[in-house]
Amino acid sequence: DVKVTQSSRYLVKRTGEKVFLECVQDMDHENMFWYRQDPGLGLRLIYFSYDVKMKEKGDIPEGYSVSREKKERFSLILESASTNQTSMYLCASSESGHTTNEKLFFGSGTQLSVL
Amino acid sequence: DQQVKQNSPSLSVQEGRISILNCDYTNSMFDYFLWYKKYPAEGPTFLISISSIKDKNEDGRFTVFLNKSAKHLSLHIVPSQPGDSAVYFCAASEGYGAGNMLTFGGGTRLMVKP
Repeated sequence: DVKVTQSSRYLVKRTGEKVFLECVQDMDHENMFWYRQDPGLGLRLIYFSYDVKMKEKGDIPEGYSVSREKKERFSLILESASTNQTSMYLCASSESGHTTNEKLFFGSGTQLSVL
Repeated sequence: DQQVKQNSPSLSVQEGRISILNCDYTNSMFDYFLWYKKYPAEGPTFLISISSIKDKNEDGRFTVFLNKSAKHLSLHIVPSQPGDSAVYFCAASEGYGAGNMLTFGGGTRLMVKP
């Protein structure tokens, strides 16, 4: 079974802090994604990566950066956390090539609260 | 402006009856549509998909209907079971590949009462 593991289930941070959200997948997937889920807005793509050291902006990259130094690990960084970044963050991975979008495997999510 | 909309934030259905979840989209370039299901404390999991060359796709109790002219799709669950209680997200993309970004709707919380 594919496993996508997010390091924290709940996280509470203060405004202005630097926040790291870590995600690890164990299926040697090329593609990794970070989404945020907000009530009524669904899932919105923040950043994604097709390969090590590669990153692409999604729909809402402002205020975020990412790092992919190893194939299995994709980190989301909030350089200076703000209250409007309070959200559920979901990491996902998928194979590359002709694989369709249903092969997107999600982690359980990290609920981040910024006070 | 949201390109994929699920106008009903919640839906309550009796066990054994049909559940119908609706989704509308505005981007005419979308040609691949998916439904994901999310239980509390878990990530979303893929449920069923349909490409724009079809108007119906069925998988067991789950059927997705696509009306391209109306830019509308719906998910039918028959019969509904208490284990179907979850949040359902509609998603769309331009193309099939994993590299094609998914645009998600806001989700509909389905509650199936025993």
